[in-house]
Amino acid sequence: DAGITQSPRHKVTETGTPVTLRCHQTENHRYMYWYRQDPGHGLRLIHYSYGVKDTDKGEVSDGYSVSRSKTEDFLLTLESATSSQTSVYFCAARASGGQETQYFGPGTRLLVL
Amino acid sequence: RKEVEQDPGPFNVPEGATVAFNCTYSNSASQSFFWYRQDCRKEPKLLMSVYSSGNEDGRFTAQLNRASQYISLLIRDSKLSDSATYLCVVIPSGGGATNKLIFGTGTLLAVQP
Repeated sequence: DAGITQSPRHKVTETGTPVTLRCHQTENHRYMYWYRQDPGHGLRLIHYSYGVKDTDKGEVSDGYSVSRSKTEDFLLTLESATSSQTSVYFCAARASGGQETQYFGPGTRLLVL
Repeated sequence: RKEVEQDPGPFNVPEGATVAFNCTYSNSASQSFFWYRQDCRKEPKLLMSVYSSGNEDGRFTAQLNRASQYISLLIRDSKLSDSATYLCVVIPSGGGATNKLIFGTGTLLAVQP
C-alpha cells in the first residue's frame, strides 16, 4: 500500500471549464501515474512522472497536462474539459529500485456535462 | 489488434467451482506480466505476478506461455468473495524505468451461492 489519496473523489463540471485532480502519496515513491478507465478500453495511461518536475506523456495525453512540484503530489489538469473526458481517473505510484508493482488510489469519478 | 486481450465474460460459476481465464498479448518481447483484481467501483489491486515457471498463491495459479503469448489465471474452490473483475496486465519491452503498464479490459467473475 502506498498511502495514495485522490481528491476530489467525485466531480461534476461543465464543458469548457478547467479541472484539476490531485493525487497524494505518503510513501515517497519516485514514480507516479495518471490513468483513465472507460468501458471497453481498460485503463489507459495519460501521463506519468519519474521524479519532481520530470513528466512525460502516455497513451492518451491530448487535452491533459500534469505537474509534480513535490514528490508526494501529482496533479492532473484538464485545461478545458470536454464530454469525452468523462471517466474514472486513477492515480498510481511505484517505488524505484526494480519494484514493478503499482499501487492505485481510490479513483476520481468525473462527469463533464 | 489490442495489445492485451481478455474475454470480458461474465463468468458465472457456483461456489466451489474451478474457473480459468486466459489473456493474450501481442508484443512478443513483453517482459513482465501480472494479474490485478478490481472490485466494483474500486481501484485495481495486484493479485499476483506471473512467472515463466508458473506460480501459485493459495487457490490461485498463474501461468505464462511465451511461445503462444498468453497468460492464464486459475482459481480453485471459488468463493463468493472472488467475485470481481480480473485484469491482465503486461509490461512491454522497453517499459524499463518508466514501467508503463498495458491493461486488458478485464474479465468479470461472478461466483454464485
